[in-house]
Order: sequence, then structure tokens, then C-alpha cells
Amino acid sequence: DAKTTQPPSMDCAEGRAANLPCNHSTISGNEYVYWYRQIHSQGPQYIIHGLKNNETNEMASLIITEDRKSSTLILPHATLRDTAVYYCIVTFERGATNKLIFGTGTLLAVQP
Amino acid sequence: GAVVSQHPSWVICKSGTSVKIECRSLDFQATTMFWYRQFPKQSLMLMATSNEGSKATYEQGVEKDKFLINHASLTLSTLTVTSAHPEDSSFYICSARDWSLHSGANVLTFGAGSRLTVL
Repeated sequence: DAKTTQPPSMDCAEGRAANLPCNHSTISGNEYVYWYRQIHSQGPQYIIHGLKNNETNEMASLIITEDRKSSTLILPHATLRDTAVYYCIVTFERGATNKLIFGTGTLLAVQP
Repeated sequence: GAVVSQHPSWVICKSGTSVKIECRSLDFQATTMFWYRQFPKQSLMLMATSNEGSKATYEQGVEKDKFLINHASLTLSTLTVTSAHPEDSSFYICSARDWSLHSGANVLTFGAGSRLTVL
């Protein structure tokens, strides 16, 4: 699986949009970009994933550049409850034994 | 949606004893489950892939005799930390996929984790 690079930490004001970047320059053509987050002392939670088109769900939006070498997770109106470590993971979509390998992620601190 | 339950959520044990952690998929069947370990202020580290009806596959550096994994049914995987020592104190998290969700995408549902403290 391709490696990802994320900033170690970011701050965001409550109510503002949080934009979390991720670099994955070695991504292959059939690898997807997945985002998970982990709130302190809890198990990770799936947020969103995409291949090459921008995606949006009730939690967030995912913007993938045209060359697919980077992406941005957007939380449109961050709340204090969005404070968490956000992980960007690149992996293949299918395969029962496909493993998810977590990097160091970005600690997003939403400030009141 | 898919729910993965872990038990116990926290456990304290004496050095040298064994501890069993259960991971259940509550409303779906999982032929494969994954066990992770997380030390304070670190990321999740994959320990092993648990396969229903067969042996688990361990990641490099993980002692299979120390971390026994049993996946006896389609809804239950157990991790037993044998002869636990203080350095085994950690946050253990399991996960599984419900292929009926997310159009078959590679989405893992995680348990809430089990915090082990070895005295």
C-alpha cells in the first residue's frame, strides 16, 4: 500500500471548516483513499473514502487532486466533538484480508 | 450499521497471569477480524489477522505464542495475552468488515477497545 504523509497537528476554530491535507504521491491506479478518525481512548471511526472523484457524506467531504497524489478531508463546520486524530490511509478497495495500516495521523484540535 | 463489541473494556491483572479479550460482530458475520495494539500517544499497530476456522496471521515482530488468537465462529474472535508483563500494558482494539455496507468497500468497523494494565 502507498504511504501517506500528514501534518502532525492542526487547530481549527469551532464553527469553521477544517481542512486536513494528506500526501500520497506513490498511490497506484486502483488504490483508494480512506479517512478514519480516533477520538481519545476510543476505537477508530470510518469517515469517508474515494478513488478519484470528490466525495461527500453526512460527516465530511473528500477532495482528491486530479493527479491523485494528494487529498483533503473537509469538515465543513467543526465542533468540539470533532477533536480527534485523523488518519489518511491508502489501500485497495476489496479483499477480505486487506489490512489497514495506520500512519501517525493529524491531531485536530477544535478550539472554542 | 455494523457494530463490533469488545469485552472487557478495561482489565487490570498481575504480572504472569493470562488475560482474554473478546471481540464480537453483533449484527453481521465476519470471517476475518483484525487485532491492533496502541501504546499511549502512538498510532495503531496491526498485530494479527484473525481468520475464522483457521490460524491467525501475525505481523512481523508479534509473538504468536504470547498473543493467542482464536476465531471459532463467524461472530467471535478472542485475543489471549499469555503470561502478561507490564510491557504488555496497552490499548487493544479489534475490527471487522461488514461487506454488506458501503457497497463492498474496504471499510473496517472498530470496537471500543480494551485497556490492559499489567501490574
